[in-house]
Amino acid sequence: SAVISQKPSRDICQRGTSLTIQCQVDSQVTMMFWYRQQPGQSLTLIATANQGSEATYESGFVIDKFPISRPNLTFSTLTVSNMSPEDSSIYLCSVVPTGEENTIYFGEGSWLTVV
Amino acid sequence: KNQVEQSPQSLIILEGKNCTLQCNYTVSPFSNLRWYKQDTGRGPVSLTIMTFSENTKSNGRYTATLDADTKQSSLHITASQLSDSASYICVVSGNTGTASKLTFGTGTRLQVTL
Repeated sequence: SAVISQKPSRDICQRGTSLTIQCQVDSQVTMMFWYRQQPGQSLTLIATANQGSEATYESGFVIDKFPISRPNLTFSTLTVSNMSPEDSSIYLCSVVPTGEENTIYFGEGSWLTVV
Repeated sequence: KNQVEQSPQSLIILEGKNCTLQCNYTVSPFSNLRWYKQDTGRGPVSLTIMTFSENTKSNGRYTATLDADTKQSSLHITASQLSDSASYICVVSGNTGTASKLTFGTGTRLQVTL
């Protein structure tokens, strides 16, 4: 199993500012991902966080808007840049633990409201 | 296009009653199907995962079924409790362990009342 800690859990942000979300896992994981869940919507994959290299972004998401770091096997950050009200969402970190390649765990999520 | 459709969109039941949630999918190729429970403002928590060869899987009061021929799954909740109030999300994987191949349903919002 994997215990995922996300920070912050909630925040209210001013339009035009940037916020960095942290994801810490208690064990080494094979893969780490970042999702967005807009109000009343399903989860949408933003990108795969690659250790030591640039993240792999899904269609519709770009590095300038959502820079991602993954310096090691247990930690990643997602920055939401130059925020607008449309960025108000829950942002979720997700991992596939080493040795459990058929299991995907989600963090508690970071609920961002942009005003 | 890969799609996962869930029904009903929302459901209200009395505590102690049973309910069944539906999931239809068009994901191909198919690897596995997962049901997650998501409390409001929290991350999804896995309930069950089923591969192509599995027809049913239980986790306490939750029982999931899978018909890979008709591409349908159901989640049955027995003797519902107030704590079952949450969104239930059906997720279909088209490739083992690859998150980019996951297709999420929009969920069924369940409310259990007294």
